[in-house]
Amino acid sequence: AQSVTQLGSHVSVSEGALVLLRCNYSSSVPPYLFWYVQYPNQGLQLLLKYTSAATLVKGINGFEAEFKKSETSFHLTKPSAHMSDAAEYFCAVRDRAAGNKLTFGGGTRVLVKP
Amino acid sequence: KAGVTQTPRYLIKTRGQQVTLSCSPISGHRSVSWYQQTPGQGLQFLFEYFSETQRNKGNFPGRFSGRQFSNSRSEMNVSTLELGDSALYLCASSLASAGGMANEQFFGPGTRLTVL
Repeated sequence: AQSVTQLGSHVSVSEGALVLLRCNYSSSVPPYLFWYVQYPNQGLQLLLKYTSAATLVKGINGFEAEFKKSETSFHLTKPSAHMSDAAEYFCAVRDRAAGNKLTFGGGTRVLVKP
Repeated sequence: KAGVTQTPRYLIKTRGQQVTLSCSPISGHRSVSWYQQTPGQGLQFLFEYFSETQRNKGNFPGRFSGRQFSNSRSEMNVSTLELGDSALYLCASSLASAGGMANEQFFGPGTRLTVL
């Protein structure tokens, strides 16, 4: 069965500092991997996705993530945090054999300090 | 292009009642998936419908059911509501049911259900 672990349920960063959100997955087959962001009282918005085309994936709003098969990781980074990055971030995995079912990590809430 | 819409946005029910939530996917999308989001359990997959057929089901009791209409709109129903059913219910639509990134999922804003 697939699973996703996000280290740290809360992360606090200063504006302008590096944002690093950790995600480790387990999957029996090469997965599709995703990062979503959720702002208060809203649904999920796709930040970026890994589809095996390239291990370094660039997404929206300056975010990027690197797929490391040997570490079963897909960590999300942004070089310089902005106040608007305050939100909850979810890593998700989709097993190619399981249709559209997404398995989500527990989420990491990001607080950006001025 | 309009996004995924969900109605109602907020709902308050009492234990034992039933509720129906509605989801209208992005035009042209044929797959609709439903997720439950709670502080304790996080985001959990409920089920997926494609071309009016349930394609996949999560680990929820039979009180949770759904259907999809020929125009791809979907409804989910929860019968005999329990306090623990209080959650944000999210709907996501995609072009296809499986195979490749054509099935990237787009989420609606959710319906927040409160069971008293």
